[in-house]
Amino acid sequence: EAQVTQNPRYLITVTGKKLTVTCSQNMNHEYMSWYRQDPGLGLRQIYYSMNVEVTDKGDVPEGYKVSRKEKRNFPLILESPSPNQTSLYFCASSPSGANTGELFFGEGSRLTVL
Amino acid sequence: AQSVSQHNHHVILSEAASLELGCNYSYGGTVNLFWYVQYPGQHLQLLLKYFSGDPLVKGIKGFEAEFIKSKFSFNLRKPSVQWSDTAEYFCAVKGVSNYQLIWGAGTKLIIKP
Repeated sequence: EAQVTQNPRYLITVTGKKLTVTCSQNMNHEYMSWYRQDPGLGLRQIYYSMNVEVTDKGDVPEGYKVSRKEKRNFPLILESPSPNQTSLYFCASSPSGANTGELFFGEGSRLTVL
Repeated sequence: AQSVSQHNHHVILSEAASLELGCNYSYGGTVNLFWYVQYPGQHLQLLLKYFSGDPLVKGIKGFEAEFIKSKFSFNLRKPSVQWSDTAEYFCAVKGVSNYQLIWGAGTKLIIKP
């Protein structure tokens, strides 16, 4: 089944404790992206990747890191989480590069930073 | 600055009512337009899209949207809503020579049975 898989789905952590949210897609998509969703703000892009070893900042990259060592995986790293990073995170991928705007989303990861 | 505006943050309708959700965008160039839907507790999924051609596009589950270039609008419509249409709806815009989607803030639609 074609899908984007995120883990963990739910996480409660404390300020400063490094964490990684994994994202994997099995559709051979070149383009992958991370978003955060906050009430009343819609989706805001954190980072995106056009292809392996190519990543770029989105609208709200501060406090986050990403890597794209393989085509299928695009982990999101919070080196020192803070409470303002409490949010719902979505990973997404797109066929045919980023040109189409047609995104396939993961199920979401709800992160709470205390 | 490029932006997408969704007029209503919350809409409450009764079953069988007609639906129109507004979306206006600010972008200086040719665009691709999208509506995504997020059902409660689920991920976002594409509802419909406009790239070119007929400005009236049809999507899944009886939804349609009309692109009016002169008004910079891409409103979502459904003639008769069902309880299962309860969800949050997001409008998004992308310049054809750009890679990034610009998202609206979303409209939460609640259908009363």
